[in-house]
Amino acid sequence: GQQVMQIPQYQHVQEGEDFTTYCNSSTTLSNIQWYKQRPGGHPVFLIQLVKSGEVKKQKRLTFQFGEAKKNSSLHITATQTTDVGTYFCAARRRSNYKLTFGKGTLLTVNP
Amino acid sequence: NAGVTQTPKFQVLKTGQSMTLQCAQDMNHNSMYWYRQDPGMGLRLIYYSASEGTTDKGEVPNGYNVSRLNKREFSLRLESAAPSQTSVYFCASSGGTSWAAEEKLFFGSGTQLSVL
Repeated sequence: GQQVMQIPQYQHVQEGEDFTTYCNSSTTLSNIQWYKQRPGGHPVFLIQLVKSGEVKKQKRLTFQFGEAKKNSSLHITATQTTDVGTYFCAARRRSNYKLTFGKGTLLTVNP
Repeated sequence: NAGVTQTPKFQVLKTGQSMTLQCAQDMNHNSMYWYRQDPGMGLRLIYYSASEGTTDKGEVPNGYNVSRLNKREFSLRLESAAPSQTSVYFCASSGGTSWAAEEKLFFGSGTQLSVL
């Protein structure tokens, strides 16, 4: 089946530090979505990237889609305690368009 | 605006018991999904329904059945629960009618199920 590798699995930072999570696929992707899940909550859609090399920003969050459409990243600048949670990428492969979730990166922030 | 509503929020079963998880959405979405979430495993698709009357297997369908009762409701049934089905279950919906619709998923608040 389709594999979407997400790293790291865990990341602990001090408040104010930056954070990045990466999503990688061995096959070309149609698009990629990012979701955030707060502790005890449900996944909430953040953004979708479709174009090769696309970069989108939401306040302190920057999302990138690789030129080859095989990888993506989410970068948070100057983390805050409200950023705590698990960040998932979800990718669609060009050949079948089924949505596959990465295993997620759990971010904890020390105030 | 409720979005996606799941019931129950918590459930404890004994091995071999059956139960049905209910899900309803009020966004007039065509597609509905059932996922399970286990520690370190991310979200794995159990079943999917592109429209009323159609269902398709996902990655981990064994031990489950589904029913798309109408456009609003999509239920997940465990006929004979096993400890391996202990998990958090999420229902989700999206507006499109196929995987290629490239639309975002809206998730319910989840059901925490324990099978003893």
